[in-house]
Amino acid sequence: EPEVTQTPSHQVTQMGQEVILRCVPISNHLYFYWYRQILGQKVEFLVSFYNNEISEKSEIFDDQFSVERPDGSNFTLKIRSTKLEDSAMYFCASSVNGQGAGTQYFGPGTRLLVL
Amino acid sequence: AQSVSQHNHHVILSEAASLELGCNYSYGGTVNLFWYVQYPGQHLQLLLKYFSGDPLVKGIKGFEAEFIKSKFSFNLRKPSVQWSDTAEYFCAVSGINTDKLIFGTGTRLQVFP
Repeated sequence: EPEVTQTPSHQVTQMGQEVILRCVPISNHLYFYWYRQILGQKVEFLVSFYNNEISEKSEIFDDQFSVERPDGSNFTLKIRSTKLEDSAMYFCASSVNGQGAGTQYFGPGTRLLVL
Repeated sequence: AQSVSQHNHHVILSEAASLELGCNYSYGGTVNLFWYVQYPGQHLQLLLKYFSGDPLVKGIKGFEAEFIKSKFSFNLRKPSVQWSDTAEYFCAVSGINTDKLIFGTGTRLQVFP
């Protein structure tokens, strides 16, 4: 059964450094998402992406964040200058359909620790 | 404000016991509802979903959920749990014209043999 994959599984970085989290969505999916979960808190939506554009983003997704689909398979989340409060588990998801008509399939997550 | 409440944070059951996990949501407009499960060391997996139609939805592994619109609820049930159901369960809601999933805090279920 196809799955969403994410790399790395864990990342430790210094405050102020740039990080890139990578995701490979399920191959026939067209809609891509990033969520995060700070330890002990809810899973929170960050951004959705379709047709090489951001279709929706939350207030968390400020100018420090960006997303990209650099080739036909990868979907990345970049944090330009990490802060301590960016420490969280970051989940990628993908779906065939969007606009409320699809089911999102999640990857295993990348645990980011900012020191 | 859009939100999902899961009142049971931690549930402990013996095998064969019945399960009901509560989920209430606050959302303006028509909703899609989901239950996801995260087994230890694994990623979030879809258990079941409600988009429209029959408010009683059946999912994988014998789970079902009932959408009660008047109560803004989507409770998850299983008549007889197994040790392998030990996991964290997340209720989520989205609108019909958005892909933004709003999650509850999750319920940790422990099933003892």
